[in-house]
Amino acid sequence: AQSVTQLDSQVPVFEEAPVELRCNYSSSVSVYLFWYVQYPNQGLQLLLKYLSGSTLVKGINGFEAEFNKSQTSFHLRKPSVHISDTAEYFCAVTLNRDDKIIFGKGTRLHILP
Amino acid sequence: EPEVTQTPSHQVTQMGQEVILRCVPISNHLYFYWYRQILGQKVEFLVSFYNNEISEKSEIFDDQFSVERPDGSNFTLKIRSTKLEDSAMYFCASSAGANTEAFFGQGTRLTVV
Repeated sequence: AQSVTQLDSQVPVFEEAPVELRCNYSSSVSVYLFWYVQYPNQGLQLLLKYLSGSTLVKGINGFEAEFNKSQTSFHLRKPSVHISDTAEYFCAVTLNRDDKIIFGKGTRLHILP
Repeated sequence: EPEVTQTPSHQVTQMGQEVILRCVPISNHLYFYWYRQILGQKVEFLVSFYNNEISEKSEIFDDQFSVERPDGSNFTLKIRSTKLEDSAMYFCASSAGANTEAFFGQGTRLTVV
C-alpha cells in the first residue's frame, strides 16, 4: 500500500529565509504527487502537483517542488518565506490506477519575525 | 473561479443523532470525495464516488456512514448515529478525472456533544 511520510511535524523559519519541507512516499507503482496548503481555519488549497514531465514543478506563492524518483521524495521549497506563509502543508499522493488521495500528516510552517 | 461549497460550516449535534453534511461539487466534475480531519491530525480519506456509486471507501467508512448524490448538483455525507469520535472537520472534494487535481471545499466542522 502507498504511504506518505512527512518527517517534520513543525518547521520554524525566520522571515525571508529559505525553507524546505520534506516528503517521502512509498509505492510499488507510478504515483502522482501533490502539495496542499491549509491556512488557519481554512480548507485545503493546491500548491502544486507533479503528474509527469519536468521533475521540477513550480506552484503558487513562489513554492516549488522536485520529484526524485530514485529517492522517492517530493520536497517542497521556497527561497524566501513571508509571514503569510504560516500554514499547515500536506504532501499527498495518488496512484496512477486509483483516484483517492493519500495525505501525509502535515508540516506546520511557523514563520519567525 | 468555480469552487466546491459545503454547508453548514459548523454543525453541533448530540451523540446518537443523525447528521447530513452537504456539498456542491464543481459542476463538470465526475469524481467526488469525502475526507475528514480530526483536530490536530492528518487528513483521512473516507470515500470516493464515481458514476453514481461508491468507488472506494476506507475502513473508517463503516455502516454508520453513507453518501448520496440525490440530484445533479449535491453530494451528501450522512452519519446515522453520531459518536463523540466523529467530531472532526469534514472536507468534500471533487475532480474532473482520476489522478487529476482535487478541489476541496472549506469544510464542515462537526462537533458531537
